[in-house]
Amino acid sequence: QKEVEQNSGPLSVPEGAIASLNCTYSDRVSQSFFWYRQYSGKSPELIMSIYSNGDKEDGRFTAQLNKASQYVSLLIRDSQPSDSATYLCAVNRDNFNKFYFGSGTKLNVKP
Amino acid sequence: IAGITQAPTSQILAAGRRMTLRCTQDMRHNAMYWYRQDLGLGLRLIHYSNTAGTTGKGEVPDGYSVSRANTDDFPLTLASAVPSQTSVYFCASSDLDSNSPLHFGNGTRLTVT
Repeated sequence: QKEVEQNSGPLSVPEGAIASLNCTYSDRVSQSFFWYRQYSGKSPELIMSIYSNGDKEDGRFTAQLNKASQYVSLLIRDSQPSDSATYLCAVNRDNFNKFYFGSGTKLNVKP
Repeated sequence: IAGITQAPTSQILAAGRRMTLRCTQDMRHNAMYWYRQDLGLGLRLIHYSNTAGTTGKGEVPDGYSVSRANTDDFPLTLASAVPSQTSVYFCASSDLDSNSPLHFGNGTRLTVT
């Protein structure tokens, strides 16, 4: 079983819709969770981090964490074509300072 | 501009040759990492270092070595390159705090022929 699992997509949504990206992780001791956006040919850039159960909002982005279900998600409201990218979920286990990444979900926002 | 600098940007290398990928950060982060990214496999950790003078193995360390002589530099060496090492390599850094995110360099695209 992979440490972090994501649906590879592609996930296609129309412009203005809500895009919902999901991620599950296998290790219950995982402490912190991150979402990165990666455009084709570029490096990953951090867009959200979340550490406790519940929702965290930043502009059009909302991260949701449910540690009991070992599930973290990213919602993108009012999706724009510029949001089209691959979204990587990353998990950090305390004491090891090692980050585990999902293989990413490719999002296509259609104008 | 603060960040991580990787060099070269891309390289074509003959199998059997030795190659060092350079990585320098100016954020004074204690921890540094090398990842490779392959289609369908995502980012996989090669080696990491939590502080100058110490290094550790990640998921896929075979064929690679690293050193951490100081806080800022973390070079990755392929002693004898093989075609399966064709990949995009990302250097990253973070504070030594489980809530600190990774910051990535721009990557090195390496092709081993």
